Amino acid sequence: QKEVEQNSGPLSVPEGAIASLNCTYSDRGSQSFFWYRQYSGKSPELIMFIYSNGDKEDGRFTAQLNKASQYVSLLIRDSQPSDSATYLCAVKENTGRRALTFGSGTRLQVQP
Amino acid sequence: NAGVTQTPKFQVLKTGQSMTLQCAQDMNHNSMYWYRQDPGMGLRLIYYSASEGTTDKGEVPNGYNVSRLNKREFSLRLESAAPSQTSVYFCASIAGGLNEQYFGPGTRLTVT
Repeated sequence: QKEVEQNSGPLSVPEGAIASLNCTYSDRGSQSFFWYRQYSGKSPELIMFIYSNGDKEDGRFTAQLNKASQYVSLLIRDSQPSDSATYLCAVKENTGRRALTFGSGTRLQVQP
Repeated sequence: NAGVTQTPKFQVLKTGQSMTLQCAQDMNHNSMYWYRQDPGMGLRLIYYSASEGTTDKGEVPNGYNVSRLNKREFSLRLESAAPSQTSVYFCASIAGGLNEQYFGPGTRLTVT
């Protein structure tokens, strides 16, 4: 059973701080990793994806991947109250069906 | 361009009743997916369809059937609803060669 593990939180950070969200995965053959944001009652929306070891930056968001440690993280700089949501880590299956295996999500609260 | 649409948005069923959840996408995507999301859990794959005319089971297919009617539409049927099927159901699609899964707005189903 392929697993994706996240701390459920809530992770509480003050406005303007850096929020660090972490995820580990069990399938060593996984190649593609995704971070989705999900507001309460809404569908997931893609924030970033990463394939290669190292960092990938997009605006205030940085995804970090370490395949040797089977670890992927998301940093949110200058956190805003509007960033308060559940963040889902997802790993694309290393099969032809290209489905995603999701973690249970980390709830982030940004305090004004 | 509506993206991925789902109907209905909300539904309440009694145990033993049947219903079909509808999903359609207008992005000409080949692959379509049905996930369910339960409180405190990530999304879990029910069924997927790699292309028109093909379907296959995901990790939690019991109690469900699917139909890929054409390239646009992928429906999920509950033949005899059970309280354990109370959940939020998301349909998603993906284009060939790309990695982003586009999600519909979800159907919130309660089985009493």
